[in-house]
Amino acid sequence: NAGVTQTPKFQVLKTGQSMTLQCAQDMNHNSMYWYRQDPGMGLRLIYYSASEGTTDKGEVPNGYNVSRLNKREFSLRLESAAPSQTSVYFCASSVSRTGTGELFFGEGSRLTVL
Amino acid sequence: AQSVTQLDSQVPVFEEAPVELRCNYSSSVSVYLFWYVQYPNQGLQLLLKYLSGSTLVKGINGFEAEFNKSQTSFHLRKPSVHISDTAEYFCAVSDGGRGFQKLVFGTGTRLLVSP
Repeated sequence: NAGVTQTPKFQVLKTGQSMTLQCAQDMNHNSMYWYRQDPGMGLRLIYYSASEGTTDKGEVPNGYNVSRLNKREFSLRLESAAPSQTSVYFCASSVSRTGTGELFFGEGSRLTVL
Repeated sequence: AQSVTQLDSQVPVFEEAPVELRCNYSSSVSVYLFWYVQYPNQGLQLLLKYLSGSTLVKGINGFEAEFNKSQTSFHLRKPSVHISDTAEYFCAVSDGGRGFQKLVFGTGTRLLVSP
């Protein structure tokens, strides 16, 4: 009954370091998403994967890369972290690509870049 | 492209009082509308959604919202709030067109319920 699982929950990086946020869902959903949440700005879409084998840029993709490893897993990589990437990151999944269905969210990964 | 405006960043209210959280959207096509709730240190979860049909939509925890096409609004209401309703609430929209639709979220409204 896990739903969407994100790791790690907390991470502190120095400027220029790299890291990967992992996300896995066990609901057999087709679509997966990465959002970032910043105070006063709501959630902004970084990248999404409409289905296994495809990925596309969202609203704020610069500085990030993603990999849809298989149907269950969707990772987000920061190659060279910057203080502007300090944020809370949420992974989400949905059954389909049509936008009518519910998004299921993980509990978030809080990243601080010094 | 669609966008969402949540007019209030914070709404303080006393327990058992009614509350309305406002949401306006802009879109050139038909839309699907959603309200999500985020409790402290958790991810978002769906409260309710409007896809088509009746403009009054009922959700979980006693919340409801009304779709008003002429005013491009989708305000969230609850007749009597509880302390446990303290959370951040996000309005979101996706367009009803073809192809892959993505949710666009508003900036959120923090509901603060006090005794």
